[in-house]
Amino acid sequence: EAQVTQNPRYLITVTGKKLTVTCSQNMNHEYMSWYRQDPGLGLRQIYYSMNVEVTDKGDVPEGYKVSRKEKRNFPLILESPSPNQTSLYFCASSLGGGRGLAGYTFGSGTRLTVV
Amino acid sequence: TQLLEQSPQFLSIQEGENLTVYCNSSSVFSSLQWYRQEPGEGPVLLVTVVTGGEVKKLKRLTFQFGDARKDSSLHITAAQPGDTGLYLCAGGVGGGSNYKLTFGKGTLLTVNP
Repeated sequence: EAQVTQNPRYLITVTGKKLTVTCSQNMNHEYMSWYRQDPGLGLRQIYYSMNVEVTDKGDVPEGYKVSRKEKRNFPLILESPSPNQTSLYFCASSLGGGRGLAGYTFGSGTRLTVV
Repeated sequence: TQLLEQSPQFLSIQEGENLTVYCNSSSVFSSLQWYRQEPGEGPVLLVTVVTGGEVKKLKRLTFQFGDARKDSSLHITAAQPGDTGLYLCAGGVGGGSNYKLTFGKGTLLTVNP
């Protein structure tokens, strides 16, 4: 089944403790992206990647890192999480060189709580 | 930054009713996508429209792209409880590797049995 898999689905952590949210897609998509979704603010793009070893900042990149060493994986790293990073996070991928032209396939989300 | 305004923000209706939700912008988009997001899940692509004036139908859902490619609407006929969810529109600008998708904040639809 074609899908984007995120792990974990739920995570509660403490301020300052480094964490990684994994994202993997099995559709050979070139484009991958991370979003956070907050009430009243909608989906906001954190980082995106056009292809392996090519990443770029989205609209809200502060406090986050990403890497794209393999085409299928695009982990999101929070080096020192803070409570304002409590949110629902989505990984998405898209076929083709355009940033979402063919439509996104989203993962099921990771609900992160930083206390 | 292109802004997409969706209205209404919230909509609660009874099963069997018809409804229309709107997606408006002052910017011109090269394409417009609609997604539905169910609680606890990621958004799922419903449709992409690319031509001004284009109308696409997906069973009871009808999508329209405005002539000027600045707005879009989603009409649902005879709504069912399974239609409940957050409906997101997303506008695309640019082309090729410069194409960028911007999401609206969504319309939360509740269809009561």
